[in-house]
Amino acid sequence: GQNIDQPTEMTATEGAIVQINCTYQTSGFNGLFWYQQHAGEAPTFLSYNVLDGLEEKGRFSSFLSRSKGYSYLLLKELQMKDSASYLCAVRDDRGSTLGRLYFGRGTQLTVWP
Amino acid sequence: EAQVTQNPRYLITVTGKKLTVTCSQNMNHEYMSWYRQDPGLGLRQIYYSMNVEVTDKGDVPEGYKVSRKEKRNFPLILESPSPNQTSLYFCASRPAPRRVQFFGPGTRLTVL
Repeated sequence: GQNIDQPTEMTATEGAIVQINCTYQTSGFNGLFWYQQHAGEAPTFLSYNVLDGLEEKGRFSSFLSRSKGYSYLLLKELQMKDSASYLCAVRDDRGSTLGRLYFGRGTQLTVWP
Repeated sequence: EAQVTQNPRYLITVTGKKLTVTCSQNMNHEYMSWYRQDPGLGLRQIYYSMNVEVTDKGDVPEGYKVSRKEKRNFPLILESPSPNQTSLYFCASRPAPRRVQFFGPGTRLTVL
């Protein structure tokens, strides 16, 4: 099965940088997504990595190492509105589960003024 | 506006009373899924559908049914709801396996 691990909670202050890690074990890996979810709302797409390396998108960047089964989401210049849960999701392309997404339990980030 | 819609958004019901949560998308997506989200457990997939009349079980299908008679709609049916199905439910869709998945706004269900 899939084993997706990310920290349960993190805190940081406004203007700082925070890195949220995600490790995974899946035999049919074919991509990793990061989603942001505010309390009581739907998850919204942040980033996607399928090849090793860093993808940058404004204040947010995501990194992937397929050989290490590791990804991180980097948030710079933190703002209060970045307080949310961040979900790591891996895509598994094995057999009949082609294209299924498996989610980690999420990392609740609190940004303090 | 491209979107995934769910109804109802909130529902309080009693054990054993059949209910249906509707999900509709206007993006002509082939793939649709249902998830439930519980504190400390994250998002878990209930059922998914790869096209009309093609559905498969996710990780937690017990107590749920789905149907996919039209491409745009993917209702979730609870034939005999129980309190352990109290949860936040999300419908999602995407155009193909290797594309971004979009979520509906969620349905908060309470079964007494």
